[in-house]
This record gives sequence, C-alpha cells and structure tokens, in this order.
Amino acid sequence: DGGITQSPKYLFRKEGQNVTLSCEQNLNHDAMYWYRQDPGQGLRLIYYSQIVNDFQKGDIAEGYSVSREKKESFPLTVTSAQKNPTAFYLCASSIAAGALQETQYFGPGTRLLVL
Amino acid sequence: DQQVKQNSPSLSVQEGRISILNCDYTNSMFDYFLWYKKYPAEGPTFLISISSIKDKNEDGRFTVFLNKSAKHLSLHIVPSQPGDSAVYFCAVLDSGTYKYIFGTGTRLKVLA
Repeated sequence: DGGITQSPKYLFRKEGQNVTLSCEQNLNHDAMYWYRQDPGQGLRLIYYSQIVNDFQKGDIAEGYSVSREKKESFPLTVTSAQKNPTAFYLCASSIAAGALQETQYFGPGTRLLVL
Repeated sequence: DQQVKQNSPSLSVQEGRISILNCDYTNSMFDYFLWYKKYPAEGPTFLISISSIKDKNEDGRFTVFLNKSAKHLSLHIVPSQPGDSAVYFCAVLDSGTYKYIFGTGTRLKVLA
C-alpha cells in the first residue's frame, strides 16, 4: 500500500524543547515538502526537498530544521526558537520537483500542541 | 502578498444543487492548477487538476474551469452531496521555484 505516513498524530511540546515530526513515503517520490496550517489560513510552506541530501527554505522556515538523508524520509524538527509552534503540520511529496504538472500528495498530518 | 486567493471563506449549498468554488491567481506564468479537499484533522486529498493548455477538465461530478485571461479558476461540483462538505483548497505549481502555492480555502457545507 503506497502512501505517506506521519507520526505521531498528536505531539506535545514543553517550553524550550525541540521536537521532531516524522514523515515517511514509499511512493518513490523525489520531492518532499512540509507545510503548516493554522486556523483560517491556507497551507504555508516551511521547507522542501527536491532530492536526497538537499533542501530549501520555504516561506516560514524560521524556528524549523529538516534533513533528507534518505529518499523516503523527511523529518521536521520544531526548535525552541519557534515561538508559536501550535499548528497542524502536513508532509507532502511529488514525483519530482521540476517535473511539469506533477500532483502533490499529502500525509494525514501531525497536530503539535504546546504545554 | 497572496498569489493565490480564495475570497469566499465559506459556502452553503443544498444537496443536489451545484457548488461553485472560485480561485484567483496573480501570476500569468502559472501553468498547472490543482484542487484539494480537506476534512478536519486530515491531510488534503487531491481532487482534480488542469493544465494551462486547457480551459476545462472533468472528472465525474467535479469539473474545473480555467480562464487564463482573467487569471481565475473555478471548481464545479454537481450534484452536491452531504459528503462533499469539507474545506477546498486551490493550488498552483510555480514551475520556476517548484513550489506549490495554496489559497486560504473555502469551507463548503452541503445541506441535506
């Protein structure tokens, strides 16, 4: 069954703590993305990766970090520098960034809450 | 500075009638457009897409129309069903940066 998995579904962060959100895909997609959704807002791009060992900042990268050591995995770390981390986080992938007219597919999301 | 706008935050439609969701964009170079459906606490699900070389694409009850001169696209759902109640996002693929740019969404409620 091909798809994108995100874990955990819910995550709680204490003040000053770093937390890591997992995203795995078995679609053999080259490109992966992280978005943040806040109430009443669209999806805002945090980071994206077009290929293994390479990634670029999106529109709201401050306070976040990523790695792309394997094609199927793109974990997102929410650092203590992110002052307003409470949101719904979505991971997505597409066959290849730069390939024209490719559809992007999403995981089920992780809701991050601050204690 | 929003490049993709969905100016109606919500829409209510009677079951069986047509739902029309609208989306405007600013960059005439965008050439691939997508619609997603999203339920609360779930990831968006791809619905339908259209390339700039077409002005209409149809898939079952869903039809997307593209008006390039007006930089406007719309999603038509007919007939609307209660299960269509969700938030709908339009998105464009910026082939220059390889980013997908999303609108803010329209919440559709189909009344039984």
